[in-house]
Amino acid sequence: GESVGLHLPTLSVQEGDNSIINCAYSNSASDYFIWYKQESGKGPQFIIDIRSNMDKRQGQRVTVLLNKTVKHLSLQIAATQPGDSAVYFCAERGHNQGGKLIFGQGTELSVKP
Amino acid sequence: GAGVSQSPSNKVTEKGKDVELRCDPISGHTALYWYRQRLGQGLEFLIYFQGNSAPDKSGLPSDRFSAERTGESVSTLTIQRTQQEDSAVYLCASSPNRGNEKLFFGSGTQLSVL
Repeated sequence: GESVGLHLPTLSVQEGDNSIINCAYSNSASDYFIWYKQESGKGPQFIIDIRSNMDKRQGQRVTVLLNKTVKHLSLQIAATQPGDSAVYFCAERGHNQGGKLIFGQGTELSVKP
Repeated sequence: GAGVSQSPSNKVTEKGKDVELRCDPISGHTALYWYRQRLGQGLEFLIYFQGNSAPDKSGLPSDRFSAERTGESVSTLTIQRTQQEDSAVYLCASSPNRGNEKLFFGSGTQLSVL
C-alpha cells in the first residue's frame, strides 16, 4: 500500500496559544490538499482543504498555508483549546490519480490546560 | 444513522482464518475508500471505488486482500489467511462524488490477529 510514516511526532502547546502543525508532501503534481483531525477511537474528521491555485485559506480558528515551492503545508490553530487535542493528518491528491487521497504521517497535538 | 457505518467494531481472529469487514457508506455517496491504520501510524490507502468505474486496487498489500462493492452501497473488505501483521484499524470512508475529497469516515474496525 501507499506509505505511512513511523511513530507519530508530537506537539505540546499551552491552552490559548497558537499551534502550527507542519506537513511535507512529495508529489509536485498534487493539486488538492486537506487536513483531518482524528480523536482517540474515532475516524478522521474533515477540518479544512485547499487547492493548489491558492496559498492560504482560512476557516473558523484554523488557517491552512500552502507553499508549493518547497512542497510544504501547514495548519495553524488559533487559541488552541483542550478539545483540539488529537492527531492531525494532512492528505494530498495527485493530479490524474483518480481522486485517491494519500495521507501523511500525522502529528499528535497535546494541549495543556 | 446518517454517517458511515462499519461492522464489526472489533474483531479478534486466529492466524490463518479469513475475515470480512463491512462498510455502509452514506446514502448517495458514490465514492468509497478503505484505509488501514496501524497503531500510532498514519492512514495507508488500500482501495477506492468510484461509481461504476473499475476500482483502484493499487494499495492492496497482497493477494490475500480483496474488496467488493455492491452498486453504490455496501462494501466488504476480505482478508484471507490472516497474519499477525494484518492487525490494525480498518477505516472506511465515503464522499459524495468524484472530485469531492471531503471524506466522511466511519469509526473503523479494530482487527486483532492472534
